Amino acid sequence: KQEVTQIPAALSVPEGENLVLNCSFTDSAIYNLQWFRQDPGKGLTSLLLIQSSQREQTSGRLNASLDKSSGRSTLYIAASQPGDSATYLCAVRRSGNTPLVFGKGTRLSVIA
Amino acid sequence: DAGVTQSPTHLIKTRGQQVTLRCSPKSGHDTVSWYQQALGQGPQFIFQYYEEEERQRGNFPDRFSGHQFPNYSSELNVNALLLGDSALYLCASSSGLAPPRDEQFFGPGTRLTVL
Repeated sequence: KQEVTQIPAALSVPEGENLVLNCSFTDSAIYNLQWFRQDPGKGLTSLLLIQSSQREQTSGRLNASLDKSSGRSTLYIAASQPGDSATYLCAVRRSGNTPLVFGKGTRLSVIA
Repeated sequence: DAGVTQSPTHLIKTRGQQVTLRCSPKSGHDTVSWYQQALGQGPQFIFQYYEEEERQRGNFPDRFSGHQFPNYSSELNVNALLLGDSALYLCASSSGLAPPRDEQFFGPGTRLTVL
């Protein structure tokens, strides 16, 4: 059974700092990995999707990497801003159209 | 493109009652998945509908049932509500043809409170 772990559970950083969020999964046989952002009480916004054959994806100040063999992904956020404050969730999929398996998320606070 | 929409936004019910939540998928999508997210937890998969049939199901009791309509919209029904059913219910849509990206798009969720 696939298990996804996100460390740390919560993180507080000053504005402008670069930061890394970690995600690990127990079964390396994944189809893809998605990073989501969730604001309090709201739905999920997809940030980046990495296919199993890819090593990284970039969107603006965000960069996600994937090391499938070691069961790890990182989300790098450059020059953090207060508007980045949210919970970041990592999810993996075993094959096409199978359910996403989520971690519990990392709650990020960026202090102005 | 309206994206994935869900209704209602919030709902308060009492134990033992029944509830119906609704979801309209993103334009062009034909597959709808439902997830339950308890406070402080990641979303847990309930079930997925494709071509009006339940294609996959997570570890949820039969009190949780669903339906998909010909226009691809979907309903989630929960009978005999328990306090533990209080959660944010998320709907996600995708294409059943599983394009290479196979990305899921989520709606804003329905917050269900059971008293």
